[in-house]
Amino acid sequence: EAQVTQNPRYLITVTGKKLTVTCSQNMNHEYMSWYRQDPGLGLRQIYYSMNVEVTDKGDVPEGYKVSRKEKRNFPLILESPSPNQTSLYFCASSPGDFTGELFFGEGSRLTVL
Amino acid sequence: GENVEQHPSTLSVQEGDSAVIKCTYSDSASNYFPWYKQELGKRPQLIIDIRSNVGEKKDQRIAVTLNKTAKHFSLHITETQPEDSAVYFCAADKGGYQKVTFGIGTKLQVIP
Repeated sequence: EAQVTQNPRYLITVTGKKLTVTCSQNMNHEYMSWYRQDPGLGLRQIYYSMNVEVTDKGDVPEGYKVSRKEKRNFPLILESPSPNQTSLYFCASSPGDFTGELFFGEGSRLTVL
Repeated sequence: GENVEQHPSTLSVQEGDSAVIKCTYSDSASNYFPWYKQELGKRPQLIIDIRSNVGEKKDQRIAVTLNKTAKHFSLHITETQPEDSAVYFCAADKGGYQKVTFGIGTKLQVIP
């Protein structure tokens, strides 16, 4: 089954404790991206990647890191989480051709205390 | 960068009525305009999209219109049903591996 898989789905952590949210897709998509969803702010892009070893900042990259060492994986790293990073996070992928459609993962709800 | 404004933020309609959600964008280079539906607790999913060389597109009860001159596009849902209740996001995309910018979302409630 074609899918985008995120882990963990739910996480409660404390300020400053490094964490990684994994994202994996099995559709051989070139394009992957991370979004955060907050009430009243919609979906805001954090980082995106056009292909292996190619990443770029989105609209809200501060406090986040990403890497794209393999085509299928695009982890989101919070080196020192803060309470303002409490949010619902979505990973998404796209074929990278002119199709445009984003395929979203199920989301990861992160709470930073 | 691109800025996408979406309104209304909330919309309540009676079952069977029509619903219209409007979006404007700022970057004339944007050429792909998708709409995503997010049901409660679920992931966003594409419901319809339109490209800059097309003025209107329909798929059963939903349609999207695009006015490139005014940088404006809209989602129209006719004969609304309770299962249409969800949050709808518009987006603008320049294509060519560039980033997608979303509107803030519209929470649509269809009252039976």
